[in-house]
Amino acid sequence: EAQVTQNPRYLITVTGKKLTVTCSQNMNHEYMSWYRQDPGLGLRQIYYSMNVEVTDKGDVPEGYKVSRKEKRNFPLILESPSPNQTSLYFCASRLGPTSYEQYFGPGTRLTVT
Amino acid sequence: AQSVAQPEDQVNVAEGNPLTVKCTYSVSGNPYLFWYVQYPNRGLQFLLKYITGDNLVKGSYGFEAEFNKSQTSFHLKKPSALVSDSALYFCAVRDSNNAGNMLTFGGGTRLMVKP
Repeated sequence: EAQVTQNPRYLITVTGKKLTVTCSQNMNHEYMSWYRQDPGLGLRQIYYSMNVEVTDKGDVPEGYKVSRKEKRNFPLILESPSPNQTSLYFCASRLGPTSYEQYFGPGTRLTVT
Repeated sequence: AQSVAQPEDQVNVAEGNPLTVKCTYSVSGNPYLFWYVQYPNRGLQFLLKYITGDNLVKGSYGFEAEFNKSQTSFHLKKPSALVSDSALYFCAVRDSNNAGNMLTFGGGTRLMVKP
């Protein structure tokens, strides 16, 4: 089944404790993105990647890091999480520059205390 | 910069009645426009898109949307609402001049369909 998977689905952590949220897609998509969803703000793009080793900042990159060492994986790293990063996070992918539809993962709900 | 506005936080409609969820956008180039739906505890699902061509686009689950360039709008419509259509709907835009992957979403509109 073609899908985008994220792990973990739920995470509660404390301020300053490094964490990684994994994202994997099995559709051989070139483009991958991370979004955070907050009430009333919709989804805001954190980082995106157009291919292996090619990443760029989205609208709200502060406090986040990403890497794209393999085509299928695009982990989101929070080196020192803070309470304002409590949010619902979505990973998404699309085939390439001429494709339009994005496929979203199920989401990761992160709480930082 | 590109932006999307969904002016209504919530839309209430009775089952069987037509529904409209509003969206307006701003881009510097030509817009690529999308509607997504989110059910509780789920990720976003693609409904439909406008890239070019006919201003009326049809999508999944009987939804359609009309692109209006002069009003910079892309309202989502359905002739007869179902209770199962109740969900959170997001409009999104990407500027055709945007070489990257920058998709900008509106704040979302909660659709409530009452029996």
